[in-house]
Parts: sequence; structure tokens; C-alpha cells
Amino acid sequence: DIQMTQSPPSLSASVGDRVTITCRASQSISTYLNWYQQKPGKAPKVLISAASSLQSGVPSRFSGSGSGTDFTLTISGLQPEDFATYYCQQSYSAPLTFGGGTKVDIK
Amino acid sequence: QVQLQQWGAGLLKPSETLSLTCVVYGGSFSGYYWNWIRQPPGKGLEWIGEINHSGSTNSNPSLKSRVTISVDTSKNQFSLKLTSVTAADTAVYYCARTGTYYDILTVRDYYNMDVWGKGTTVTVSS
Repeated sequence: DIQMTQSPPSLSASVGDRVTITCRASQSISTYLNWYQQKPGKAPKVLISAASSLQSGVPSRFSGSGSGTDFTLTISGLQPEDFATYYCQQSYSAPLTFGGGTKVDIK
Repeated sequence: QVQLQQWGAGLLKPSETLSLTCVVYGGSFSGYYWNWIRQPPGKGLEWIGEINHSGSTNSNPSLKSRVTISVDTSKNQFSLKLTSVTAADTAVYYCARTGTYYDILTVRDYYNMDVWGKGTTVTVSS
């Protein structure tokens, strides 16, 4: 199985901050990497696919980068609605696996 | 707009069988893979497995011996059965669709989970 490791597990930030979350795969996954946002009591929502492609309706303050084993999700100008938990997920091979999550809360 | 509605028993005793169903409304059922994912309380997401309209399945090896995923195309629904449950199977269970994203730069198809059910809380307790 491909292990996905996210860091940090949690972070505190203020509205307007630039936030960066990293995700590392245990082997190369090319750009088969998705990012999801999950708010308490809700299902995850896909933000980015193919490591860097913003999905329909997702604000442009979200961006993704990386390939191979190292990936980054950046939120440029954190908004109140962005306080949530973020997960990376590899779609390179089964079993599909997720990172452990990064909780972004209010400083 | 595609919506997934899921249901099933929410309280089980150890050794019982978990049974959940997810029905697809408002969109095509064939041509997609359909997934089950779970999330233990306060923890991350775990993929359980997937099925397509013709019944082709893939399951997580960590659960494979206990998991059955089935499909009923006449009702646009798919189901999960997990046998011999323990407290470790306590979680919110989600169904989700595998969506396809075509990247014009790399000329490749990429897959994500683009439509999700609301989740069903399953508690295993004696």
C-alpha cells in the first residue's frame, strides 16, 4: 500500500494568512493526487485533482503543486469558511489511501 | 445534479454484520465506479472498496475478507456488507462516486471522489 503522510497534523492561523500543507507519498505517484476539505459533521469535498488542477467552483485562493512523492496545498488569504480539515489522497493505485489530515483552526 | 442517499443500521453488536445501501439520484449510474469510505470518530478517512455497474469490485486488503460490495442496477444502488464487526468498525461510513478529471496538459485521466453521501454513523457496542 502507498502511505500518505501529511504535515503538520494541525495548525493555527488567522484570516488573511497564507497556509501551506504538505503531503508525502511513500513511493512515486506522479501527479495522481487529490486534496479534500472536510468540515465538522460533513462529507469531504474535492478541491484539487491531478495535484494542481482546481475543481469546479473551488475558489482560486486554493492551489496545489508537486509531483512524484512531495505535494503541497496552499491557501492564499485564509477566509473564515476555510477553517476545516484537509486530506490528501492518492489515486495512483489500489488500495486508495488518504493522508492523516491537517486541521486548520483559528489562531 | 447527482445525489447519493445512504441508509443502514446504526447500532450493531460485536460479531454482527454491517449492512449499508447507497442509492444514486439524478444522474447516470453506469460508467462510474462507486465507493465506500469510513471515518472512525476523530480520525482520518479509510477507503473500503469500490464497484462499477457491471459488478467489478476492488477492496482494501485490510478488510477484504470481511467485505462484500454489491450492485443493483435496476435500482441505481450499491451496498456494503461487513461481517464480524467489532468496536474498531465504529465509524461514519460514506458512499461516494469516482469522478474523472481529464487534464489537457498531461493528456491523462485522473480520478477523484467527486460526489459524496452524507454519511451514516455506525456504532458497534455490546
